Amino acid sequence: AQSVTQLGSHVSVSEGALVLLRCNYSSSVPPYLFWYVQYPNQGLQLLLKYTTGATLVKGINGFEAEFKKSETSFHLTKPSAHMSDAAEYFCAVIPLSGGYNKLIFGAGTRLAVHP
Amino acid sequence: DAGVIQSPRHEVTEMGQEVTLRCKPISGHDYLFWYRQTMMRGLELLIYFNNNVPIDDSGMPEDRFSAKMPNASFSTLKIQPSEPRDSAVYFCASSLALAKNIQYFGAGTRLSVL
Repeated sequence: AQSVTQLGSHVSVSEGALVLLRCNYSSSVPPYLFWYVQYPNQGLQLLLKYTTGATLVKGINGFEAEFKKSETSFHLTKPSAHMSDAAEYFCAVIPLSGGYNKLIFGAGTRLAVHP
Repeated sequence: DAGVIQSPRHEVTEMGQEVTLRCKPISGHDYLFWYRQTMMRGLELLIYFNNNVPIDDSGMPEDRFSAKMPNASFSTLKIQPSEPRDSAVYFCASSLALAKNIQYFGAGTRLSVL
């Protein structure tokens, strides 16, 4: 079965530092890939998605992610963290094989940004 | 558009009581999803509808849970009777289609069953 692994349930960075949140998927057929962000007491909001085309995807708030088929990865990055980036980030996939075409979420990574 | 609207935002109830969570999807969206979020299990899809018809309820934990969508602008998730282990945040989401279409989430209902 398809699975999504987010390495590190908690990540802490200094303001202005690089943000790197890791996501790996398990299927041999690359799925559709998504990153969602959840701010405290709010619902999930789409940051970016990859379906086809350019493997480097730019999203909102300065985030981007790169699809690497050889590594089955879709890591999320931001060059310079801001205090307002503190939130929980979820990687999610929609498998393109097996007839299961619903979002499967990773466990989430909580990002803390300190001054 | 106001986005996906869920009510109530918070619900505190006692074990054994009936709980009804409500959702208004974004107008024009054909798909509606109910998710549950807990620390232990993360985000789980409970059920989803297409054009008001339940398509997949395999994520519904047990018969105490039921969901309806009487029309395109309203859905309910009901728990009867509620148990403390049902305590979680329940999200509703809607989208234009499955697969690569974006799902838009409501702010969630935080349920506490005492």
